[in-house]
Amino acid sequence: AQSVSQHNHHVILSEAASLELGCNYSYGGTVNLFWYVQYPGQHLQLLLKYFSGDPLVKGIKGFEAEFIKSKFSFNLRKPSVQWSDTAEYFCAVNKGAGNKLTFGGGTRVLVKP
Amino acid sequence: NAGVTQTPKFQVLKTGQSMTLQCAQDMNHEYMSWYRQDPGMGLRLIHYSVGAGITDQGEVPNGYNVSRSTTEDFPLRLLSAAPSQTSVYFCASSPRGGRGTDTQYFGPGTRLTVL
Repeated sequence: AQSVSQHNHHVILSEAASLELGCNYSYGGTVNLFWYVQYPGQHLQLLLKYFSGDPLVKGIKGFEAEFIKSKFSFNLRKPSVQWSDTAEYFCAVNKGAGNKLTFGGGTRVLVKP
Repeated sequence: NAGVTQTPKFQVLKTGQSMTLQCAQDMNHEYMSWYRQDPGMGLRLIHYSVGAGITDQGEVPNGYNVSRSTTEDFPLRLLSAAPSQTSVYFCASSPRGGRGTDTQYFGPGTRLTVL
């Protein structure tokens, strides 16, 4: 079965620090990759997605992610975080033509002011 | 557009009771789905639909039923609630069924507690 792993369950960092969240998936075929974010009290929203082309994708709020096919990874990065980036971040994967998403367990990020 | 709406926001049930979680979208999306969110487990797919009259099971369908009589609505029915169904439930929609590149739009969630 397809699985998605997020290695860090909790991350605490200070404002202006750099953030990198790991995501690995197990499926070997064509995949579409997503990062969703859930801010406190809000519903999930898309940060960015990758399905083809340049493996370095840029999303909203200064986030970017790099798809490395050989490592089955899609890590999320932000060079300098703000207090408002405090949220839970989810990596998700689906197979080429289907909409069914498989989510990772999520990473809670706390940014201290 | 209101996007994806869910009712109720909170619900407490006793074991064995049944109830329906409502989900509606006003974006004319073909694809709709239900997920449950449990700590440390991310979101897991319960049921999904690629269009009116078409539904299928996801990863964790046991104890839940769905129907899709209209494009707009996709209710989730708990047949006989169990404590293991205590969770936060999210409904999501995306424009087209069978297009995995489409963004999914999530509702605000329903927090369900089963005693």
